[in-house]
Amino acid sequence: KNEVEQSPQNLTAQEGEFITINCSYSVGISALHWLQQHPGGGIVSLFMLSSGKKKHGRLIATINIQEKHSSLHITASHPRDSAVYICAANFGNEKLTFGTGTRLTIIP
Amino acid sequence: KAGVTQTPRYLIKTRGQQVTLSCSPISGHRSVSWYQQTPGQGLQFLFEYFSETQRNKGNFPGRFSGRQFSNSRSEMNVSTLELGDSALYLCASRYDPGTRGYEQYFGPGTRLTVT
Repeated sequence: KNEVEQSPQNLTAQEGEFITINCSYSVGISALHWLQQHPGGGIVSLFMLSSGKKKHGRLIATINIQEKHSSLHITASHPRDSAVYICAANFGNEKLTFGTGTRLTIIP
Repeated sequence: KAGVTQTPRYLIKTRGQQVTLSCSPISGHRSVSWYQQTPGQGLQFLFEYFSETQRNKGNFPGRFSGRQFSNSRSEMNVSTLELGDSALYLCASRYDPGTRGYEQYFGPGTRLTVT
């Protein structure tokens, strides 16, 4: 069965802390996506990766294909990073299967 | 380039009615996917359209249907609305030149409330 699991469900941290959100999936994938959703519902695609590592500003995404695991890191976290972060996977086609999301709160 | 647009943004309907939601993709994008987001089930894939054809389908009843027009704009329809259909409906478009591996761009969503 194609499944995506995320941890933690909720994460509260102080401004400036290094944040890690984890994602694991059940079987081989063609791509792994990290999405950000702010209150109000809009979703922004942060990364799409199938191997290695990608970096955009303070955000870094890594994926380990052998271990079926991906991480999203935020360096020097800021209150504006507060959002729900969602991991999603393509299991061989264009249909996305989503994790349950991680609600991140950064306290000033 | 303009982003993905969805109309309407908010909608209130009564149980038993039907509803049609619209999605206009980013210019040049031929793939449009629809998703349902509820507090209980999270985000779930509804269906994907490419070049006016349904290419992938999620596990939703036949009351949920969609179509795509020649200009890539897409509509989804829900007939005989149930209270459980209350959700945020999101569409996403993707550039698809026939190969995989292109990220999706999401619209702002339509929040449907069924009373």
